[in-house]
Amino acid sequence: AQSVTQLDSQVPVFEEAPVELRCNYSSSVSVYLFWYVQYPNQGLQLLLKYLSGSTLVKGINGFEAEFNKSQTSFHLRKPSVHISDTAEYFCAVSRLGQGAQKLVFGQGTRLTINP
Amino acid sequence: DTEVTQTPKHLVMGMTNKKSLKCEQHMGHRAMYWYKQKAKKPPELMFVYSYEKLSINESVPSRFSPECPNSSLLNLHLHALQPEDSALYLCASSQDRRTGIGYTFGSGTRLTVV
Repeated sequence: AQSVTQLDSQVPVFEEAPVELRCNYSSSVSVYLFWYVQYPNQGLQLLLKYLSGSTLVKGINGFEAEFNKSQTSFHLRKPSVHISDTAEYFCAVSRLGQGAQKLVFGQGTRLTINP
Repeated sequence: DTEVTQTPKHLVMGMTNKKSLKCEQHMGHRAMYWYKQKAKKPPELMFVYSYEKLSINESVPSRFSPECPNSSLLNLHLHALQPEDSALYLCASSQDRRTGIGYTFGSGTRLTVV
């Protein structure tokens, strides 16, 4: 089975400051890794994903994440945040394999940007 | 079309009512999913349909009944729900086999059971 731990439930930062949201995963098999963002009263939007290849993944809205297999981590970063980045962020994994697979989510990190 | 469309966006129902949630996608995805999300919690998987057949049921109570009439449409029939079933219900779809590609969520139906 797979599991995901998001190490911070809440992260407050000032506008234009850098931010890192931390995610660790556990799995006995190879996985795909994702970061999703959820704005209030909305569904989930994919920020970025790691499938294979380069460990540095660039996504939408200026976010990037780095896959570290030895540390089983997939931390999300942005060099300069905006008020509009205030949202809930979920790290998720799915297992490689044939057939439809489910996403396993972390508990989420609430990112709050202060002016 | 790269969207998953869910209707209605909001639903209030009594505990004796029968209602249905609808989900539609036209991306040619052959896997479709229902997730339930309680406030301040991550989404939790309920059901997975793969090629229009139910492939995963995460021990969901029988008062929730999924249906996949065709490859583009997914329904969730609701009957005799409890107030604790109030939540955001999210539909998603993905290309089968390679779920990392094209896993797309709808904007959800906010369900309130009174």
